[in-house]
Amino acid sequence: QKEVEQNSGPLSVPEGAIASLNCTYSDRGSQSFFWYRQYSGKSPELIMFIYSNGDKEDGRFTAQLNKASQYVSLLIRDSQPSDSATYLCAVKFGANSKLTFGKGITLSVRP
Amino acid sequence: DTGVSQNPRHKITKRGQNVTFRCDPISEHNRLYWYRQTLGQGPEFLTYFQNEAQLEKSRLLSDRFSAERPKGSFSTLEIQRTEQGDSAMYLCASSLSQRSYEQYFGPGTRLTVT
Repeated sequence: QKEVEQNSGPLSVPEGAIASLNCTYSDRGSQSFFWYRQYSGKSPELIMFIYSNGDKEDGRFTAQLNKASQYVSLLIRDSQPSDSATYLCAVKFGANSKLTFGKGITLSVRP
Repeated sequence: DTGVSQNPRHKITKRGQNVTFRCDPISEHNRLYWYRQTLGQGPEFLTYFQNEAQLEKSRLLSDRFSAERPKGSFSTLEIQRTEQGDSAMYLCASSLSQRSYEQYFGPGTRLTVT
């Protein structure tokens, strides 16, 4: 069974710090990787996606992918209270169109 | 607003009743997905359509669940003989087929089965 694990959390960081969120996946055939942000009571919102090994930066967000170790991470620099949310890791396996989500990590940024 | 819309936003029903939800995707999107999310869990895939064709259905989806997208635009998800375990947020998402990695989610329909 293809799995996406997000086992750490909840995570609390002070405002201005770097928040590091991790995710591992089970299938080496996975092709693409996503981070969604979900505020309480709202629907998921795509913030980053990454296909290739290495880092991808977008503003204060950096996604890191290591296919050999089967993990993907999200770094949030200069964390703000508005970043407080649940962050969902999602994976597309092979050519399949559906997303498989982890259970999410709840981040709290303390003012 | 040209985002994904879902109706109703909330539905309370008694066990054994049938319910139907509607999703209107972003207008140019030809792929439409249904997911279910329970408290403390990530969304779980149910089914997806490309235009009017239902291309995949989760093995977790019992025979009580059926989805349609008759004209390749809006979609409906029906649950027959609801059970308390069906209580969840039902999320719809849409994408372009050539950009299926960019799935945009609607606000969801929260179902409570009493």
